[in-house]
This record gives sequence, structure tokens and C-alpha cells, in this order.
Amino acid sequence: AQKVTQAQTEISVVEKEDVTLDCVYETRDTTYYLFWYKQPPSGELVFLIRRNSFDEQNEISGRYSWNFQKSTSSFNFTITASQVVDSAVYFCALSEGGTGFQKLVFGTGTRLLVSP
Amino acid sequence: EAGVAQSPRYKIIEKRQSVAFWCNPISGHATLYWYQQILGQGPKLLIQFQNNGVVDDSQLPKDRFSAERLKGVDSTLKIQPAKLEDSAVYLCASSPSALAVTNEQFFGPGTRLTVL
Repeated sequence: AQKVTQAQTEISVVEKEDVTLDCVYETRDTTYYLFWYKQPPSGELVFLIRRNSFDEQNEISGRYSWNFQKSTSSFNFTITASQVVDSAVYFCALSEGGTGFQKLVFGTGTRLLVSP
Repeated sequence: EAGVAQSPRYKIIEKRQSVAFWCNPISGHATLYWYQQILGQGPKLLIQFQNNGVVDDSQLPKDRFSAERLKGVDSTLKIQPAKLEDSAVYLCASSPSALAVTNEQFFGPGTRLTVL
């Protein structure tokens, strides 16, 4: 069975600090997809990134970067020079590819508080 | 492009009452999802539609929950009768097609249900 663990319940940083959100996943499939979503106070989850299990290249998008390591089953998310607008709950999610349908299993989320 | 619409945004009911939530997905999106998000947890998939057919309802408590997506567009989720443990945010999401496992899901703002 697939499972996603986000051990950090809440992280507080001061603006301009770098912060890393951890995500560890479990799956028996060799083909799977990993996602990060952001949930601001408004409640709507917003897609940030998707990686497939065959692509371990790290990715950078502006102040955001993602580190995918199959050897440790981790897909960590780093925000560089954090800003107050980054305050939100961040979810890591996993979808196994075997059925042909996307079925997301979410972690419990990490609440990030960025203070000025 | 209009996003996923949900109504109502908030609902307070007493246990054993009935309640219904409505979702209108992004135009042209074939797949519609209903999630339950209990406070402090990640979203949990309740049911997934592909057009007007059910793809996955394995986690839907069918003795009290029901959902339909007539004509393959908007959808209604119903709880009858409600229990205290049903207090949660009910999120609706849509994507172009669940058959493409890499598709991102677009989420609505959710309906916050409180059962007293």
C-alpha cells in the first residue's frame, strides 16, 4: 500500500530564511508520481510540481527547488529566501501508475509560518 | 478561465441531519474528485468520476454518503444521516482526465461542514 509521511507538523521561520520540507513515501510500484501542493488560508490546494519515478533530476523554479532521491524514498522541497506569502500548509502526495488512473494519497501536511 | 466552484462554503448541521454539497468543475474536465479533509490531516479521496461514471469509490462510506455526476458535468455529494466525525472540509477537484496519471488536479475552495 502506498503511504506518504511528512514528519514536520509545523515550521516557523523568519523572512529570508531558507526552509526545507521533508517528504518520505512508500510504494511497491516501480512507476509512480510524486506531487507537491500548497494550501493557503483560502483553502484551495494549488499544484506546485510533479515528478515521475524515472526522473531523479532535481528541479528549480525561482525560489523553489525539489530534491528527489529514490535511494531514500524522499522528495524534499526547499524554499530559498522565504517570504510571508509562502505561509501555507504544504502537502506531498503520491500516485501509483499501475492502474492507469491517477489516485493521489496525501501526507498530513507541513504548516509553514513565515514571519516578517 | 473559471476555477472549480463549490457551494455552500460553510454548513452547520446537527447529527442525524442530511446535507448536500455541490461542485462545478472546470469546463471540459472529464475527471471529478471529492475529497474529505479532516482538520490536521491531508485530503482523503472519497470518490472519483470519469465523465458520469464512477472510477473509484472504495473509500466512500456508502451507508451514509452518496454522490452523483449527472450529465458528466457538475456533481453533488450527500451525507445522510450525518455523524459528528463527518465534520471536515469537503474538497472538489477536477482534471482533464484521470487516464493521464500525470495530470494536475485543480481544487475548489471547499465546503467546511460542522456537525453538532
